Amino acid sequence: AQSVTQLGSHVSVSEGALVLLRCNYSSSVPPYLFWYVQYPNQGLQLLLKYTSAATLVKGINGFEAEFKKSETSFHLTKPSAHMSDAAEYFCAVSDPRPGGGNKLTFGTGTQLKVEL
Amino acid sequence: DGGITQSPKYLFRKEGQNVTLSCEQNLNHDAMYWYRQDPGQGLRLIYYSQIVNDFQKGDIAEGYSVSREKKESFPLTVTSAQKNPTAFYLCASSPRISSFLPETQYFGPGTRLLVL
Repeated sequence: AQSVTQLGSHVSVSEGALVLLRCNYSSSVPPYLFWYVQYPNQGLQLLLKYTSAATLVKGINGFEAEFKKSETSFHLTKPSAHMSDAAEYFCAVSDPRPGGGNKLTFGTGTQLKVEL
Repeated sequence: DGGITQSPKYLFRKEGQNVTLSCEQNLNHDAMYWYRQDPGQGLRLIYYSQIVNDFQKGDIAEGYSVSREKKESFPLTVTSAQKNPTAFYLCASSPRISSFLPETQYFGPGTRLLVL
């Protein structure tokens, strides 16, 4: 079974500071990995996804994530936080094997707060 | 505009009542999904459908039912057997179920279900 752990349910940064949101996965096979963002009372929007083509993945809004197999991690970073980045962020893993059904297993989310 | 619509935005359920949440997509996607979101628990998969007239149970299907009579529609019924239905319900779709590519799931805006 696959699983995702997001360390830190709440993260607070100052505007202009580095954003680092942690995600570790557990999978018996090389997984597909995703980061989604959710603004209050809205659906989820894809930030980026790991397709096994490159370990450093660039997404929208200046975010990027690096796949590290040795650490089973897929942490999300942004060099400089903006007030508009305040939202909840979800890491998710999907099973790439035939019959996996493209099902996503989500982490419990990290609420990012950006302070002036 | 292409996208996923969910209605209603808010839904109130009385004890012992069945209620149906609507999900429609005009993206011509083959696969559709229903997730339940509770605070601090991330998203959990209720049901998913890969093609018309076929669907599979997810991780928390008990107390829910679905149908997939049309490609663009995937309604979710919350039955009276679901004893704790208060949650935010999200519908998603993806182009197809592929064993070789990580298919992005696109999310609707959600329906918040409250129990009276």
